[in-house]
Amino acid sequence: AQSVTQLDSQVPVFEEAPVELRCNYSSSVSVYLFWYVQYPNQGLQLLLKYLSGSTLVKGINGFEAEFNKSQTSFHLRKPSVHISDTAEYFCAVSERYGGSQGNLIFGKGTKLSVKP
Amino acid sequence: ETGVTQSPTHLIKTRGQQVTLRCSSQSGHNTVSWYQQALGQGPQFIFQYYREEENGRGNFPPRFSGLQFPNYSSELNVNALELDDSALYLCASSSPAGSSGGSYEQYFGPGTRLTVT
Repeated sequence: AQSVTQLDSQVPVFEEAPVELRCNYSSSVSVYLFWYVQYPNQGLQLLLKYLSGSTLVKGINGFEAEFNKSQTSFHLRKPSVHISDTAEYFCAVSERYGGSQGNLIFGKGTKLSVKP
Repeated sequence: ETGVTQSPTHLIKTRGQQVTLRCSSQSGHNTVSWYQQALGQGPQFIFQYYREEENGRGNFPPRFSGLQFPNYSSELNVNALELDDSALYLCASSSPAGSSGGSYEQYFGPGTRLTVT
């Protein structure tokens, strides 16, 4: 069975500061990895995904994440945050082969609060 | 390109009642997945439909059921509502892995907020 742990439930940060949101996963099979963002009262928007290839993945809005297989991590980073980045961020995994293809297992989320 | 749409936006039901939520998939997508997001939690997978058949199910009781129609739209039905069913219900559409353009990427709708009193 797969599981996702987001180590920080809330991350406060000042505008223009760098931020890292941490995500660790557990799985007995190879996985695909995703980060989604959810603004208040909205659905989920895909920020970036890791399927294969380069372990450094760049996404929308200046975010990037690095897949570390040995540490089973997929941390999200942004070098300089804006007020508009205030939202909840979810890390998710799905099985790479077989089973219920495409169903996502989510972490509990990290609320990023950017202060002026 | 039309995105994923869901209806209704909000819904209030009484314990024991039944509810039907609707989802229209993004153009070109033939797979629909449903998720339940309780307050303060991450979304949890309910089930997935592909070519009008259930193609995987999470840890939800049989009173959660679904349908997919030939136009790939979908319904989520919940019978005998319980207070704990209060949540945001998210629908996501995708192309199946291995198909042209398939990449496990799921596109989410805005959700239906269900409140059970």
